[in-house]
Amino acid sequence: SAVISQKPSRDICQRGTSLTIQCQVDSQVTMMFWYRQQPGQSLTLIATANQGSEATYESGFVIDKFPISRPNLTFSTLTVSNMSPEDSSIYLCSVGGLPEYNEQFFGPGTRLTVL
Amino acid sequence: GESVGLHLPTLSVQEGDNSIINCAYSNSASDYFIWYKQESGKGPQFIIDIRSNMDKRQGQRVTVLLNKTVKHLSLQIAATQPGDSAVYFCAARAGDYKLSFGAGTTVTVRA
Repeated sequence: SAVISQKPSRDICQRGTSLTIQCQVDSQVTMMFWYRQQPGQSLTLIATANQGSEATYESGFVIDKFPISRPNLTFSTLTVSNMSPEDSSIYLCSVGGLPEYNEQFFGPGTRLTVL
Repeated sequence: GESVGLHLPTLSVQEGDNSIINCAYSNSASDYFIWYKQESGKGPQFIIDIRSNMDKRQGQRVTVLLNKTVKHLSLQIAATQPGDSAVYFCAARAGDYKLSFGAGTTVTVRA
């Protein structure tokens, strides 16, 4: 299985500011994903981070709000821009799927609170 | 798109009893399913998966059953322990790489 770390593990931010979340994987992977988990809710896919190209965003998520970088096969960042209290969530990095894995694995998450 | 739902949002089980968590999915093209366990303050942890060409798969103390006819998935936990207390999610994938997640069932184990 892949081992995934995220930084920061949690943060409290002021409205209008931005936060960049880092995701590091212990092996090279083709597919990296960013999810949001709002309090008490299930997981919603924000985007798929593709190495060497722009991220692919799901309906309801846009690049201006959630810019993503994927500079290599072991690292990605997600920025939450111009934050509002509605952005308070857990943000999860995930890797998996073919060609490296059948399964999909998750990092520990970044717990974000926006005041 | 895929809709994945759990039948019960909460489940209380006596320690030592077996637990059954149920999940329904909508997309008949779904061909891969995963169960995750999420403990408080942690990311989802992979438990077990099953492909659509199977109807049963067993792991350590866990069994996943898949009924494609009624688009139903279940996770059975044998001899439930206090450490099994968590939120359990089912997820489905239909050919591409995207997982659709159910709402989650909170399992509480009574001593």
